[in-house]
Amino acid sequence: ETGVTQSPTHLIKTRGQQVTLRCSSQSGHNTVSWYQQALGQGPQFIFQYYREEGNGRGNFPPRFSGLQFPNYSSELNVNALELDDSAMYLCASSTGNRVWTEAFFGQGTRLTVV
Amino acid sequence: DQQVKQNSPSLSVQEGRISILNCDYTNSMFDYFLWYKKYPAEGPTFLISISSIKDKNEDGRFTVFLNKSAKHLSLHIVPSQPGDSAVYFCAASAGAGGTSYGKLTFGQGTILTVHP
Repeated sequence: ETGVTQSPTHLIKTRGQQVTLRCSSQSGHNTVSWYQQALGQGPQFIFQYYREEGNGRGNFPPRFSGLQFPNYSSELNVNALELDDSAMYLCASSTGNRVWTEAFFGQGTRLTVV
Repeated sequence: DQQVKQNSPSLSVQEGRISILNCDYTNSMFDYFLWYKKYPAEGPTFLISISSIKDKNEDGRFTVFLNKSAKHLSLHIVPSQPGDSAVYFCAASAGAGGTSYGKLTFGQGTILTVHP
C-alpha cells in the first residue's frame, strides 16, 4: 500500500478522443511525476509537477498535459488519442523534489486506444 | 536512443542462490541510480539506490554495485527467495539539485524468476 491511488484502473478509448487520468497522492506529497509504460518497456517520463507548477517535461507532444491541485491530486490529459498512446500510465508522488528516494508509484491506469 | 539498457529480458535462479541483474547506461550526466521491483498489477516499488560518488550500497539481501568507468551497475540478491520473483527495473537520474532530477530514465526491465 503506497498511499497513491490512480483512477480508473482500465480504460478503452477511440482514436481521436480525449482522456483524463487521475492520481491521488499521499498528504504532504507536493511532487508528482507521470510516466508512460508501453508493453515490455520501462516507464518513460512524461512530466513532473512541484507545488502545482510544471517542473520538467520529457519528450512527449503538447497534447499530453497535466495539472496538480492543492489537495495532492493530479491529472494527466491526453488529447487527440492515437493508437500508440495505448500503454500503462503511472504516477509517482513524493515529498520535495527528491523523487528517487521517496517516490511512491500508484498501481497505474491501463489505457487502450482502438 | 536507449540511455539505460537491461540486456537480459529474463533471469531464472534457484532459491537460495545469487541473482545478478545487470544494467548499462550511456549518459555520463547520470549521477544517481535506482532499482525498482514491480509485481503484476502493481506500480514499481523502490528497492535500493546508489549515488555516483559510491561504488557499492548494501541493504539486507540486496547490494548494488556501480562501475562508473564501464557505465555499468548490477543488483545482487543473496540469497534469492521465491518472493523475489518480479520485474526489476534500473533507473537513472541526472543533475541532482536541478529540474532534471525529477526525471527518471528507466531500462526495459528484467523478469526474475526464483524457483523453489
